[in-house]
Amino acid sequence: ELKVEQNPLFLSMQEGKNYTIYCNYSTTSDRLYWYRQDPGKSLESLFVLLSNGAVKQEGRLMASLDTKARLSTLHITAAVHDLSATYFCAVDRSTSGNTPLVFGKGTRLSVIA
Amino acid sequence: NAGVTQTPKFRILKIGQSMTLQCTQDMNHNYMYWYRQDPGMGLKLIYYSVGAGITDKGEVPNGYNVSRSTTEDFPLRLELAAPSQTSVYFCASSYDGNQPQHFGDGTRLSIL
Repeated sequence: ELKVEQNPLFLSMQEGKNYTIYCNYSTTSDRLYWYRQDPGKSLESLFVLLSNGAVKQEGRLMASLDTKARLSTLHITAAVHDLSATYFCAVDRSTSGNTPLVFGKGTRLSVIA
Repeated sequence: NAGVTQTPKFRILKIGQSMTLQCTQDMNHNYMYWYRQDPGMGLKLIYYSVGAGITDKGEVPNGYNVSRSTTEDFPLRLELAAPSQTSVYFCASSYDGNQPQHFGDGTRLSIL
């Protein structure tokens, strides 16, 4: 059974600081997704990582995937208040993309002045 | 662009009642999904479909039923509602299993 663990689950950080959110998963997979959810809102796709060593960047967020370590990271650079949200990673159970994703519990990020 | 549309947005049910949560997408996506999200938790998959006429159970299917008679629609039915089904329900779709999922705005369901 695929298990996806994120840490930390809660993160309070100051504006301007850097931090990394970690997503570990328990079985082989080479497909990983990051989503963002604002309070009371739906989920928005941030990144799709489809191979070992994949790195994607958008603004102050950068995601990477290490399939050998079964680990993805979401790095936040010089945090701003607008990044406050809950971030989910989700992992595909198969290597063919034909099975549904398993989501982590999410990391609730709060950026404070 | 409508994307994934869920109705209703909010609903209160009494224990034992039944209802259908509607989900429709206009992106010609093959895959559709139903999730529930409990407070402070991630998403748990209830049912999914890889195409019209095909449905499959997810992690937490008990107490729910689905059908997929068309590509666009994927309704979720609750029979005999129970308090444990109080949750936020999200419908999502994707073109295939390799593409990111597009989510609806959710249905907030309370069972009292």
